[in-house]
This record gives sequence, C-alpha cells and structure tokens, in this order.
Amino acid sequence: SAVISQKPSRDICQRGTSLTIQCQVDSQVTMMFWYRQQPGQSLTLIATANQGSEATYESGFVIDKFPISRPNLTFSTLTVSNLSPEDSSIYLCSVRFSAQGEQYFGPGTRLTVT
Amino acid sequence: AQSVTQPDIHITVSEGASLELRCNYSYGATPYLFWYVQSPGQGLQLLLKYFSGDTLVQGIKGFEAEFKRSQSSFNLRKPSVHWSDAAEYFCAVGAAAGNKLTFGGGTRVLVKP
Repeated sequence: SAVISQKPSRDICQRGTSLTIQCQVDSQVTMMFWYRQQPGQSLTLIATANQGSEATYESGFVIDKFPISRPNLTFSTLTVSNLSPEDSSIYLCSVRFSAQGEQYFGPGTRLTVT
Repeated sequence: AQSVTQPDIHITVSEGASLELRCNYSYGATPYLFWYVQSPGQGLQLLLKYFSGDTLVQGIKGFEAEFKRSQSSFNLRKPSVHWSDAAEYFCAVGAAAGNKLTFGGGTRVLVKP
C-alpha cells in the first residue's frame, strides 16, 4: 500500500471561484485517479491522471471544468473550476501500483460551495 | 458496461452478531472484485479483493467474501461484528486490463450495543 495525502482536507468556497486539490503519494505509482463522491452517494470516476500527458476523462466530465495535472509519478492536482453548489462533494484521489486493478484511496477533500 | 448493485442501503446489526452484505455485479468477462470500507469522515480502505483462484477470500478486520460466478455475486461476511465496524461499505468491480473501478451504491452499517 502507500501513504496518500490530500490538501486541503476541506474547504468552503464561493460560487464562481475555483479550488485546486493536491494529491501526494509517498512512492512512485503507475496510475492515479480522481473520484467524486456527492453527498450520500457512491463514488464516480472523474478522470485518470496520466503522467506527462493530458488526463483521460470519463463521460460527463470535461477538462475545462476539471483540469488535472500530473507532473511526476508521485503528485497530481485536480482543479474544480467555476464552482457552483452542485460541486459540493468529497473529492478523492486514488493510486494503483500494478496492472491488477487494486486501488488505494486518499482521505478525501470535502468541498462546500456557498 | 460494468455495474454493481448493493441491494441493502442500510443494515442494523447487534454487536457480536454476524453480518452479511450483498453485492451483485454485471460484467462480461472475469471481473476483479473489491470491498472497501469508509468510516465517517474518512477515505476508503481496502478490505479485500478477488482476482482469481480460491473463491473465498480473506481480508482485514476479520472480513471474508465469497465469489459466486453463477450468481454474479461477491457477498461480504463477518462472523461477529464490533462497534467499530459501523461504517459504509462499498463493493466495486474492475476490468482485468482496464483502469476503471465501478462502485456500488454502498451499504451503511449501524451497530447496536
């Protein structure tokens, strides 16, 4: 497994602003992912963060709204842009070390948009 | 497309009693299956996984799960529940060669003293 940290752990943001969430892993990983967990809901994959190239987005998620960076094998950021109350969710990063699909999750960032 | 159904949204169990959480999946090939637990205000912790081989898998915290291909199920069990097991439990399915994990809706477990 790995130690995965996220910053910030929570934030309250105003409508129309943006929030950038950081995900740091204590070892190099093959894959990094970003998920959204809306209140009382399950997790939905936003995108796969690819090192050195553009992220791969799932249906319903676009780069303009959720730009992602992954400058190296231990770090990634997710920005949630032009915030609206509907963006209030927990955002989680996850990592995978091998091709076998097992993912480990960070503690999450709780975002509230007012 | 892959999908996961957790039929029970909430389950209440007495401390010391047994627990079984149901998970049914839909996937065209051999799936990779997972159970995660999310305690209040926490991220997800991997309880156990099934890739292949023995259909009864052991995980952490005394949990086990059984893969039944004929029933497309991967139910989670614990013989004796502790108060600290109160949490939300998610079943997930992944493709053998892909990246995406698809999660079920979750089952919230409440433990009565």
